[in-house]
Amino acid sequence: NAGVTQTPKFRILKIGQSMTLQCTQDMNHNYMYWYRQDPGMGLKLIYYSVGAGITDKGEVPNGYNVSRSTTEDFPLRLELAAPSQTSVYFCASLRVLQNTGELFFGEGSRLTVL
Amino acid sequence: GESVGLHLPTLSVQEGDNSIINCAYSNSASDYFIWYKQESGKGPQFIIDIRSNMDKRQGQRVTVLLNKTVKHLSLQIAATQPGDSAVYFCAETGQAGTALIFGKGTTLSVSS
Repeated sequence: NAGVTQTPKFRILKIGQSMTLQCTQDMNHNYMYWYRQDPGMGLKLIYYSVGAGITDKGEVPNGYNVSRSTTEDFPLRLELAAPSQTSVYFCASLRVLQNTGELFFGEGSRLTVL
Repeated sequence: GESVGLHLPTLSVQEGDNSIINCAYSNSASDYFIWYKQESGKGPQFIIDIRSNMDKRQGQRVTVLLNKTVKHLSLQIAATQPGDSAVYFCAETGQAGTALIFGKGTTLSVSS
């Protein structure tokens, strides 16, 4: 299994440009998450999804959009990039069992907006 | 020795000591808790988790304790090693399928 795959790993955008961060998992997990992590800070939840066709806002959703048309894919869209969106973005999927679970992270996508 | 306290942004210990990292959560309905470790320049790495129907769970050199009464979670690392140096985050979620929110991290520094 490949786990959680994020692309691209690095990207530089100009202010006002748009782009999509891709996230794919091959573990058939229902729950998926997008986080951003600013330098020296913790993970902030942007959006999450509990299954195909269902998405919800997290702590910091402004400036982003997501979709979940399939169980495998959970892309994050930036429509008008701003310098404040310079960050490292992590996608994750969650497996929850009766008494345990595990959150699998992608390797991260480093985005710089100039 | 051990270092205990409410959430501290940094914790420094000697190699071989036991470490305790604390986390307070706010949502009394939270059902599932996870501890993560993040080394510099890397993504978060799963350490251990616990459901709200448990008070304690043990892994290899790590133990997570959950006190639902005071909404407090702790991670105990036995015989701390230099390789344990990292930022440690706790995360909580309500019933499965709700938002998974991360707390503020604690930077653990282990000196030889």
